[in-house]
Amino acid sequence: QITLKESGPTLVKPTQTLTLTCTFSGFSLSTSGVGVGWIRQPPGKALEWLALIYWNDDKRYSPSLKSRLTITKDTSKNQVVLTMTNMDPVDTATYYCAHRDRVTDFGPWGQGTLVTVSS
Amino acid sequence: QSVLTQPPSVSGAPGQRVTISCTGSSSNIGAGYDVHWYQQLPGTAPKLLIYGNSNRPSGVPDRFSGSKSGTSASLAITGLQAEDEADYYCQSYDSSLSVLFGGGTKLTVL
Repeated sequence: QITLKESGPTLVKPTQTLTLTCTFSGFSLSTSGVGVGWIRQPPGKALEWLALIYWNDDKRYSPSLKSRLTITKDTSKNQVVLTMTNMDPVDTATYYCAHRDRVTDFGPWGQGTLVTVSS
Repeated sequence: QSVLTQPPSVSGAPGQRVTISCTGSSSNIGAGYDVHWYQQLPGTAPKLLIYGNSNRPSGVPDRFSGSKSGTSASLAITGLQAEDEADYYCQSYDSSLSVLFGGGTKLTVL
C-alpha cells in the first residue's frame, strides 16, 4: 500500500524560504518510471502543479515558479523535499505530494499540509 | 487562467448523466498526451478517478468513464449519486513535459 505524508511549517513569514518534506512508503523512488510530484491548492481555488522528480533524478518545474523552486530526493530515506524561496501571502495554500508512475500518473496523494504566509 | 479549460460548474439530479469537458490545444492534449481525471471530495485530497484517458483504477465505480478526442477530453458520470458531489480536475502534459491541470469543475447533485 502506497502512502505519502507532507510535513513542514504551517506558518512562514513573507520573504522566507519554505521547506516541505514528503515522506512515503510502499514504493521506491529508484524504480524505473516512478516519480513524486508537488501540487498546491490555494483556499477555494484550483490545483496548481509545482514540481516533479523522477527515479532517474530528472526534475521538472512549473515554468511560472521555476526560479523559486528546488526539488530533491533522498532515496534511502524515502523522502522528497521541496523548497520555495521568497514566500508571499499569495503562496498560502494546501501543499500536496503525490506518487506518480508512467501508467496511472498522480495517485495516491498525501493528505496535504496547509501553509499560511503572513507576518 | 488554466491551459486546460473546464466548465466551472455542472449539475444534475440523482440518477441523471452529466459530462465534464476538458479542452486543451495541439500542444498538450492534441499532441497525444494522456488525460487523467481526479475527484476531490469536500475537505479531502484529490483522488485519481480516471487514468490514461479512459481507465478506471480498481475501486472506482463503472458509473465513471472518460474519453478523449482531438484536443479535448470528457468525463461522464451516469446514475448520479449524492456522494458524487465534488470538484473534478483534468490533467495532462505539454511538450516540455510540464504538468497541466484544468481549472476544476464543481459538480452539484440537485
